[in-house]
Amino acid sequence: EAGVAQSPRYKIIEKRQSVAFWCNPISGHATLYWYQQILGQGPKLLIQFQNNGVVDDSQLPKDRFSAERLKGVDSTLKIQPAKLEDSAVYLCASSPGLAGLFRNEQFFGPGTRLTVL
Amino acid sequence: AQSVTQLDSQVPVFEEAPVELRCNYSSSVSVYLFWYVQYPNQGLQLLLKYLSGSTLVKGINGFEAEFNKSQTSFHLRKPSVHISDTAEYFCAVSETGSQGNLIFGKGTKLSVKP
Repeated sequence: EAGVAQSPRYKIIEKRQSVAFWCNPISGHATLYWYQQILGQGPKLLIQFQNNGVVDDSQLPKDRFSAERLKGVDSTLKIQPAKLEDSAVYLCASSPGLAGLFRNEQFFGPGTRLTVL
Repeated sequence: AQSVTQLDSQVPVFEEAPVELRCNYSSSVSVYLFWYVQYPNQGLQLLLKYLSGSTLVKGINGFEAEFNKSQTSFHLRKPSVHISDTAEYFCAVSETGSQGNLIFGKGTKLSVKP
């Protein structure tokens, strides 16, 4: 079974530029998560989708971050414009079950490492 | 609000020695508890989880953890570590009845030396 795929793996941009990250979850997984992991810290949830609907985006900085999950499969996370403090690893995870059903494990992708100069 | 404290940012240990990585949490309601491992340049992999029942939980790669409600702790242990266990370990918590939002600790870097 293929795992969670993310691209690109690395991205370097100047501040105020835009950037987009792509995630392809494990086939059939209903729930998709985007996390931000700043160096030296644990991952922090940005947004959670169930199918193509948003379950939780309370920690997403909506003035510059946006995310979508069209057709309930792939997802894209965008930052526009980027700031220096956005430098981090962006992790995508998926889960086969409905949101909140913890017997369903979250499976993580390898992440995209973003450097903002 | 929930929070997770991993008391040690780095733990060096010699191969075949036992190890304990400490995790304490704070929450006003019942929680689920998790330990994840992150190898360099990889995503997180679930080691084990506590949902209910027995407080001693066994996971992959010989790891186990014990839930202590009175001390609000969920320490991770392994009786004999290998070089390949070198990685970063994250403790995470989520409130029961929530939408699945995981709150992670800052991580503990385990370095196993020959």
